Amino acid sequence: QQPVQSPQAVILREGEDAVINCSSSKALYSVHWYRQKHGEAPVFLMILLKGGEQKGHDKISASFNEKKQQSSLYLTASQLSYSGTYFCGTERTGNQFYFGTGTSLTVIP
Amino acid sequence: NAGVTQTPKFQVLKTGQSMTLQCAQDMNHNSMYWYRQDPGMGLRLIYYSASEGTTDKGEVPNGYNVSRLNKREFSLRLESAAPSQTSVYFCAITHGQAIRSEQFFGPGTRLTVL
Repeated sequence: QQPVQSPQAVILREGEDAVINCSSSKALYSVHWYRQKHGEAPVFLMILLKGGEQKGHDKISASFNEKKQQSSLYLTASQLSYSGTYFCGTERTGNQFYFGTGTSLTVIP
Repeated sequence: NAGVTQTPKFQVLKTGQSMTLQCAQDMNHNSMYWYRQDPGMGLRLIYYSASEGTTDKGEVPNGYNVSRLNKREFSLRLESAAPSQTSVYFCAITHGQAIRSEQFFGPGTRLTVL
């Protein structure tokens, strides 16, 4: 039931771009993205809804391919503050929620 | 305005002991959730409560019970702790359904069962 994320880990230099992918075997209504720094709680990045509506409030962007049940998170011109573990989340029913296993992102100077 | 608070922050139990993890929110949100996070497994939903007075099982409910005491508070109880329940436990809240709403997480409770 868990969505599958790729890659599992990535190391970037400041200013480089990265793409994190999330795919599900089930039809999706929405995909969520969260970032978690070590020892802290996950923090919301954005929601992508079926039909194209996107809600978020960060410079990081994402796409949602409903037919393929896939989403991608795009981090451009990465900053040191982007380091952390990124999780996608997908729903089964209105409140049943599944998070992926995470992608560890490290940005180095 | 603290958002979501969890107590305790850390706990060590012996196998067979019981304990209750507390979660409280001051955001007046309807839905509350309990997740556990294990290395390499991401977050897994244990139980959720869509509104005051209702609770439902998530992906991994075995060994846990919950109580939605009122709109503000949602507790998670381990009746007889096992080493497999060693994990970090997060409480989260949403205003509406999880599929459409941002989840706000508490700081977590780090539980070790010996």
